[in-house]
Amino acid sequence: DTEVTQTPKHLVMGMTNKKSLKCEQHMGHRAMYWYKQKAKKPPELMFVYSYEKLSINESVPSRFSPECPNSSLLNLHLHALQPEDSALYLCASSTVPNYGYTFGSGTRLTVV
Amino acid sequence: KNEVEQSPQNLTAQEGEFITINCSYSVGISALHWLQQHPGGGIVSLFMLSSGKKKHGRLIATINIQEKHSSLHITASHPRDSAVYICAPNSGGSNYKLTFGKGTLLTVNP
Repeated sequence: DTEVTQTPKHLVMGMTNKKSLKCEQHMGHRAMYWYKQKAKKPPELMFVYSYEKLSINESVPSRFSPECPNSSLLNLHLHALQPEDSALYLCASSTVPNYGYTFGSGTRLTVV
Repeated sequence: KNEVEQSPQNLTAQEGEFITINCSYSVGISALHWLQQHPGGGIVSLFMLSSGKKKHGRLIATINIQEKHSSLHITASHPRDSAVYICAPNSGGSNYKLTFGKGTLLTVNP
């Protein structure tokens, strides 16, 4: 298995909702990432987990809460989002350190 | 000054043409990634290279570490190659961050 699988592919949520994005890989990669990408812009790093520990938080608002329950799974919990948070959320994984990146196909999030 | 400069920003070609996309970076790196993103889609990693040249099908990537420059070439381009191509170097070590170029939008017309 050489893929990073993200679910759901599309998500529409209200500003008072709580939802979660899921990312899974079975390549034995020990680093996992969340990126946010706005239209026609490069991805922006949000969080990095290394060996299931949060190693980088790029000053992301607390309405985004990451979780890494095990080495194969990465979640992003969403609560009280704003319309400007609408974007493509990409998960990626890599060997350590930072080689052999594999990206997921993303979750297209719309906040209404 | 942006740490990663890609050129051109937009490129239109006819099917069959040879394509070159260039990337220059100012930081010291341990590896550089070339990524492909179709409109509205996720990102596919095409190459990771730290020296020399790699080839995969019609795609060739080269890097010159001393000159801090990398190129992505597409031979016999096809409309399905139409996508954004992104150069993303990383400095390695404990720094897990990729630095992304702004991307090159390639359109290949039939």
